[in-house]
This record gives sequence, C-alpha cells and structure tokens, in this order.
Amino acid sequence: QQQVKQSPQSLIVQKGGISIINCAYENTAFDYFPWYQQFPGKGPALLIAIRPDVSEKKEGRFTISFNKSAKQFSLHIMDSQPGDSATYFCAAGDDKIIFGKGTRLHILP
Amino acid sequence: DTGVSQDPRHKITKRGQNVTFRCDPISEHNRLYWYRQTLGQGPEFLTYFQNEAQLEKSRLLSDRFSAERPKGSFSTLEIQRTEQGDSAMYLCASTREISFVNEQFFGPGTRLTVL
Repeated sequence: QQQVKQSPQSLIVQKGGISIINCAYENTAFDYFPWYQQFPGKGPALLIAIRPDVSEKKEGRFTISFNKSAKQFSLHIMDSQPGDSATYFCAAGDDKIIFGKGTRLHILP
Repeated sequence: DTGVSQDPRHKITKRGQNVTFRCDPISEHNRLYWYRQTLGQGPEFLTYFQNEAQLEKSRLLSDRFSAERPKGSFSTLEIQRTEQGDSAMYLCASTREISFVNEQFFGPGTRLTVL
C-alpha cells in the first residue's frame, strides 16, 4: 500500500509558539492532501486541505505548505493554544485517502 | 457533531461471536467509507461505497468482514467469528462526490473490544 510518512510522532510547544508537522508521500498521482485533527474518543475532523496546484493555503492560524517536487507537505499552527492539543493526521489520495500515523501535539499553558 | 452517526458507540464481545455496526451518513452524501483505527495509528481504509455499489475493498478486509449499503443510505459492517485482533475503533465517513473535492466527514466511531 502506498505510504504517507508523518513526523514527528509527538510534539510539545509552548503556548503562542508555532507547531510544525511534516508529511511525505510516494504516489505522484495523489491530488488531495488533507489534515485532520482528532480528540480522544472522537472521530477525525477535517482541519484544512490542499490540492497540488497551489504551494500554500492558509485558514486562520492553520497553514499548509506543499512542495510537489519533494512530495512533501506540512502543517503550521501559528500562535498555538492549549485547545490545539490533539492528535493530527496528514493524509493523501484521491477517491481513497491514506492516513499518516499521527502526531500527538501538546501545547504547554 | 458532523452529522454522521454510528451505532453502537461501544461493543464488547467474546471471541468467535458475530458483530454488526451501523453507519448513517449525511443525507445528501453518496459516498460512504469504512476505516479501522487502532491505538496510536491513523485510520486504515477498509472499503467504500458510491450509492449502493461497493467500489473497493482493502486487503485488510478478510472474508470474515462484510459491508453493505442496500439502499444507498445507511451502511452496515459485519464481522463474523471475531478475533482479539479485531479490537479497534471502526470509523465511518461520508462525502459528496465532487470531482475536485473529497472532504470526508467522520462519525464518532464504534469501539470494539473482543475478549
């Protein structure tokens, strides 16, 4: 199965800092790259997504940076808040999406 | 609440028993996906439907697993002769088929524990 590799596995950031999570994919046919946020006991919720025809997308404090030639994309959370503490998953695909293994983010108050 | 509901939320069963889960997608969504998520991992694709047609099944879906979406609305996932390795969160997601968007809305999941 085509893989999506996500790093780091866990991340601790001070309140107000920038959280950065990275992903790499293999299949150049993928054309949809979402990020999901998951809280304990809940299903994943779509945070932000990008198509490969743009290099950056920003929604509020969340930004995706996309590097098509390197087959990499990243999530930046600006002004990180304690409420952002959750597990974040990158994913890639088209009709079917493949998830990374997740990053547990903890924001220190 | 995304509008996707799953029932039950929790299921405890003994090894060898059969279990069935239900997913009700958002009403106008014609695509429905099933995933399995184990602790510390991302969701793994199992299968998906477009309306009532099952379009793809993962190799993870052994012959003990079967999914249906008889009228193109709700879907069921059945596991026969459960094994301890089947213990996981089973997630359902739905989306409306649009050529350039695949925004999947997830339900809260059904947590299965096989004793």
